Amino acid sequence: DTEVTQTPKHLVMGMTNKKSLKCEQHMGHRAMYWYKQKAKKPPELMFVYSYEKLSINESVPSRFSPECPNSSLLNLHLHALQPEDSALYLCASSQDLRGAWNEQFFGPGTRLTVL
Amino acid sequence: AQTVTQSQPEMSVQEAETVTLSCTYDTSESDYYLFWYKQPPSRQMILVIRQEAYKQQNATENRFSVNFQKAAKSFSLKISDSQLGDAAMYFCAYRSGGGSNYKLTFGKGTLLTVNP
Repeated sequence: DTEVTQTPKHLVMGMTNKKSLKCEQHMGHRAMYWYKQKAKKPPELMFVYSYEKLSINESVPSRFSPECPNSSLLNLHLHALQPEDSALYLCASSQDLRGAWNEQFFGPGTRLTVL
Repeated sequence: AQTVTQSQPEMSVQEAETVTLSCTYDTSESDYYLFWYKQPPSRQMILVIRQEAYKQQNATENRFSVNFQKAAKSFSLKISDSQLGDAAMYFCAYRSGGGSNYKLTFGKGTLLTVNP
């Protein structure tokens, strides 16, 4: 199984709402990533987890709160978002943070709209 | 810091023809990896092909091949016998070979249209 799944596919939320994005992989990967992607732009790295611990936070605002409950699951908790946070949120996983190839497998993304 | 440049925001090709997408990069490292990712309108990013910097031989995956020119820091993607399903945004990406090599540096992308 070389699949990364993400739910929901689409999410519309108000600026005062709290919501969560979910990402799951069953490839035994120990590194997981959150990216933000605006239309027709490349993905921008937000967070990196390695062995269920937060390794990298690319200066992301605190209204985004990642969580890694176990090695297969990655959540992104959203609170008090702004309309400019509307984007496609991609999850990815790789075997770990080191290694020759360390190929990242991407999920299909969650299309987030903040009203 | 490494940079990746894709100078063609959009390209088009006729079905069954060949198209080449350009990518150049800037780095002072000697150990690194280069990737081409495809992102169709359905959104999922898929790895198309990859190249190790220390390998002279150009990578090939079925109809996809690269022209890797290390001295020129060029990494172009050739798609042969283009198919309608090849229509997508293509991103060139760089990753360091040393240390915690987690970070992919992406180019801005090339939107490929395949005309029937």
